[in-house]
Amino acid sequence: QKEVEQDPGPLSVPEGAIVSLNCTYSNSAFQYFMWYRQYSRKGPELLMYTYSSGNKEDGRFTAQVDKSSKYISLFIRDSQPSDSATYLCAMSAVGSGTYKYIFGTGTRLKVLA
Amino acid sequence: DARVTQTPRHKVTEMGQEVTMRCQPILGHNTVFWYRQTMMQGLELLAYFRNRAPLDDSGMPKDRFSAEMPDATLATLKIQPSEPRDSAVYFCASVRQGGTEAFFGQGTRLTVV
Repeated sequence: QKEVEQDPGPLSVPEGAIVSLNCTYSNSAFQYFMWYRQYSRKGPELLMYTYSSGNKEDGRFTAQVDKSSKYISLFIRDSQPSDSATYLCAMSAVGSGTYKYIFGTGTRLKVLA
Repeated sequence: DARVTQTPRHKVTEMGQEVTMRCQPILGHNTVFWYRQTMMQGLELLAYFRNRAPLDDSGMPKDRFSAEMPDATLATLKIQPSEPRDSAVYFCASVRQGGTEAFFGQGTRLTVV
């Protein structure tokens, strides 16, 4: 079983929809939780990161972390065609002697105009 | 405009040949990762370095893969001999000391025929 599990999709939604993307993990040492966005034939780019539990909002994006359930989510409000990309969750236990960033497989999202 | 630079961007080679991929991390970044991305497995961590010292290469097939960081401005990933199953996109990423965000290069798309 992988340390980080993510539904690969693809996920197709109409423009303006609310999108929910999720990951589960097994390593309770993870403290940093990140969401990366990857456009076709490009490298991943950081979208948001959260330390420990809680919510973080940035414009149309909200990241949630529930450490008790080992579950993280990314919500996209008022989704746009330009949001069409692969979204990867990533986690790290930086500060505990390791500096690994472990990624989910990514969820492909398509927002239809 | 600081960025991680990877060369070559594309490589097609015959089975059994040696392949060398290079990465120039962002100046001042002290943690460097090598990842391999495939549709089936997503982003897999192959190896990573901190302050040029290899910390973990457990994700690499040891018999054919090797990763080095001869100086702070260059990381290399070698495959010898290459096999068709090595076909993937290989990403390098770097993180500055004390930072959280991993900055990715554009990747090297490797095809082994």
